[in-house]
Amino acid sequence: KQEVTQIPAALSVPEGENLVLNCSFTDSAIYNLQWFRQDPGKGLTSLLLIQSSQREQTSGRLNASLDKSSGRSTLYIAASQPGDSATYLCAPATTGGSYIPTFGRGTSLIVHP
Amino acid sequence: SQTIHQWPATLVQPVGSPLSLECTVEGTSNPNLYWYRQAAGRGLQLLFYSVGIGQISSEVPQNLSASRPQDRQFILSSKKLLLSDSGFYLCAWSLDDVGSYGYTFGSGTRLTVV
Repeated sequence: KQEVTQIPAALSVPEGENLVLNCSFTDSAIYNLQWFRQDPGKGLTSLLLIQSSQREQTSGRLNASLDKSSGRSTLYIAASQPGDSATYLCAPATTGGSYIPTFGRGTSLIVHP
Repeated sequence: SQTIHQWPATLVQPVGSPLSLECTVEGTSNPNLYWYRQAAGRGLQLLFYSVGIGQISSEVPQNLSASRPQDRQFILSSKKLLLSDSGFYLCAWSLDDVGSYGYTFGSGTRLTVV
């Protein structure tokens, strides 16, 4: 059974810092890994999708890396802004059976002005 | 482009009343559809998923049921709500069984059972 751990659970930083959010998973046999953002009371918004054959994906100030063999993914946020405040979740999808990602508990991020 | 609609956005229901939440997807055919629940302070819990019309898989035995009467429609139901059914319900879809485009979530329904 896939287990996903996200560290840190919470993070509070001043505006402008470069951030690193970590995700580790126990089963490296994955189709892909997806990073999501969730604002309070809202649904999940997809940020980046990394297929198992890829090492990283970039979108604007966001960069996600994937090291499948070690069961790790990292989300980098450059030059953080107050609007980045949200909970970030990672979700690797294990191969075999239906496509059902396993979600971490998330990292709750607060960026202070 | 594909879009996912989920309604209502919020719902307050008394204990023992029925429930029906609806999710529809536009712009694609034969999607995989999913219902999740997110309780306060807890992670996402997969409730049901469907790979086709009339095909429902239940992940957690509980007071809820799901149906897929049409290709792009997924309905979450309960005959009698419990207090413990309160939570944030999310519908999601994927294009295929290998995650070619990952997951897309709807905006969610906040259910409060009183």
